[in-house]
Amino acid sequence: KAGVTQTPRYLIKTRGQQVTLSCSPISGHRSVSWYQQTPGQGLQFLFEYFSETQRNKGNFPGRFSGRQFSNSRSEMNVSTLELGDSALYLCASSVPGQQETQYFGPGTRLLVL
Amino acid sequence: AQSVAQPEDQVNVAEGNPLTVKCTYSVSGNPYLFWYVQYPNRGLQFLLKYITGDNLVKGSYGFEAEFNKSQTSFHLKKPSALVSDSALYFCAVRVADRGSTLGRLYFGRGTQLTVWP
Repeated sequence: KAGVTQTPRYLIKTRGQQVTLSCSPISGHRSVSWYQQTPGQGLQFLFEYFSETQRNKGNFPGRFSGRQFSNSRSEMNVSTLELGDSALYLCASSVPGQQETQYFGPGTRLLVL
Repeated sequence: AQSVAQPEDQVNVAEGNPLTVKCTYSVSGNPYLFWYVQYPNRGLQFLLKYITGDNLVKGSYGFEAEFNKSQTSFHLKKPSALVSDSALYFCAVRVADRGSTLGRLYFGRGTQLTVWP
């Protein structure tokens, strides 16, 4: 089975712009979560999607949003980019269930100048 | 509040020696615990998890972890380290949130493991 794929792998943007990141889960996985990884804050939960509905959201400003499509693919969007948004954004997929394992993609590295 | 602590930022060990990467947690309710490894410029790779049952969990690449409820710990171990084990290791705990189908993962800060030849 193919793993979680994320596109693009690298992005450079300037402050004030917006960006959309894409995630394709493992086939059969309907739950998708997003995490932000920075050297200062570590790994932080952004959101969780299942059946095209956001089920959970982390403590991030409203500039961070996401959605999930009927084929379970997910996108996240960051508007009005700030320098502090520079990070590795990781997507993880799993079958739903608290005991289930989340499998992570390679991430999208975003640099905001 | 839920939290995970990895008390060591860095662990150094010689190849062939046993290794331990420490993790303690604080959660309300029963924890679901995970270990992930991250190689440079890569995502997180799942190693093993504890859900219930036997306190000693075996995972990928010869790694194992011991769940200790009284000490609220979930230390990662390997009997004989390899140079290729050098990477960043993360401990995580899952907490179920109301309405969530999965529950978010809370991660420790990570421990950089270096195995010297």
